[in-house]
Amino acid sequence: GQQVMQIPQYQHVQEGEDFTTYCNSSTTLSNIQWYKQRPGGHPVFLIQLVKSGEVKKQKRLTFQFGEAKKNSSLHITATQTTDVGTYFCAPRRDSNYQLIWGAGTKLIIKP
Amino acid sequence: DSGVTQTPKHLITATGQRVTLRCSPRSGDLSVYWYQQSLDQGLQFLIQYYNGEERAKGNILERFSAQQFPDLHSELNLSSLELGDSALYFCASSVAPTALNTEAFFGQGTRLTVV
Repeated sequence: GQQVMQIPQYQHVQEGEDFTTYCNSSTTLSNIQWYKQRPGGHPVFLIQLVKSGEVKKQKRLTFQFGEAKKNSSLHITATQTTDVGTYFCAPRRDSNYQLIWGAGTKLIIKP
Repeated sequence: DSGVTQTPKHLITATGQRVTLRCSPRSGDLSVYWYQQSLDQGLQFLIQYYNGEERAKGNILERFSAQQFPDLHSELNLSSLELGDSALYFCASSVAPTALNTEAFFGQGTRLTVV
């Protein structure tokens, strides 16, 4: 079956430091979506990547889709307290309606 | 506000009981997805409906069932509840029949506690 690994599970950073989460698939993807879930909240769509090698930016967030369309990353520059939450990748395959989600990376800002 | 409404927000029930969770999708969305999220865990896909018909099935237990009604609202029925069923249950909706190229809009979730 389709294997998706999202790492790390947790990342503790000082406010102002950078944060990166990675999503790796064992198979080629059609596209990948990223969602953010604030503590006590529900997942909210951030972005969708479709093309090989695609890079998209949203202010301090940079999303990348690998050339082979098997991996993706989300990088946050200079984290702020509002970035706290869990970031999920949601890879998609053409022939598979199953909705596989990464396990999520929890961003924790050190006090 | 995502436009997806889930009721109730909280539910406490005893083991062995049966509960029904309700979801109203965003206006115009034909697909409804159900997810289970245990404490500090990821999202486990349970089942998807599109325009009243089951479209995809994930790791849904036989004790659980769902349906989507003609008005497109959906219900998730959980029976013979066990302590391990305690979790946050999310409903999400999207406009298309598959999740391939459409974003999902999530409700606030129903927190189920089985005691």
